[in-house]
Amino acid sequence: NAGVTQTPKFQVLKTGQSMTLQCAQDMNHNSMYWYRQDPGMGLRLIYYSASEGTTDKGEVPNGYNVSRLNKREFSLRLESAAPSQTSVYFCASSGGNRAGVRNTEAFFGQGTRLTVV
Amino acid sequence: KQEVTQIPAALSVPEGENLVLNCSFTDSAIYNLQWFRQDPGKGLTSLLLIQSSQREQTSGRLNASLDKSSGRSTLYIAASQPGDSATYLCAVRDYGQNFVFGPGTRLSVLP
Repeated sequence: NAGVTQTPKFQVLKTGQSMTLQCAQDMNHNSMYWYRQDPGMGLRLIYYSASEGTTDKGEVPNGYNVSRLNKREFSLRLESAAPSQTSVYFCASSGGNRAGVRNTEAFFGQGTRLTVV
Repeated sequence: KQEVTQIPAALSVPEGENLVLNCSFTDSAIYNLQWFRQDPGKGLTSLLLIQSSQREQTSGRLNASLDKSSGRSTLYIAASQPGDSATYLCAVRDYGQNFVFGPGTRLSVLP
């Protein structure tokens, strides 16, 4: 059982380059999330998707775009990478919190370590 | 805005000790609270999930309690082992489906 799978695991970009971080979950979850983790700042929400076809900004959305391609996949795009986007990026999913949804536990991928030089 | 704090920031104990990690949150209107562990260079592993209507959850040597009215949760680890060494994070989920994380407690269990 794969859970939440992120690709790539490591990436080095030059300033101004673009890239897309991929995330897929096989737990039939409605909600998916992108976080970044920085030393001394903890985990901060970039974007989330409560269900297929919807996305919303989190705490730190500037410089990022997202696409909820289908129920399984949620991608994060950096259009023009900056050194300030050097971070570890985590994708997560959960079952959502609508009435009747029993499983609201969140599961995380293994992370993408991105360095922008 | 919800804020989550964790005390202590770091903890070092000898093997076999029972220990308590603390998590506090400012807004009691939460949907649930989840405890995670994170090993260096790795992702987050879910340990325990407590729904807002629950008071505690147990899994093996771990017990988590929730006092929503006072904005507190504790993670109790019994008979600690070197393999328990990791960073422990708590996260509260609001009714908007967002998780807010604490900064974590870095635990070292010495053999």
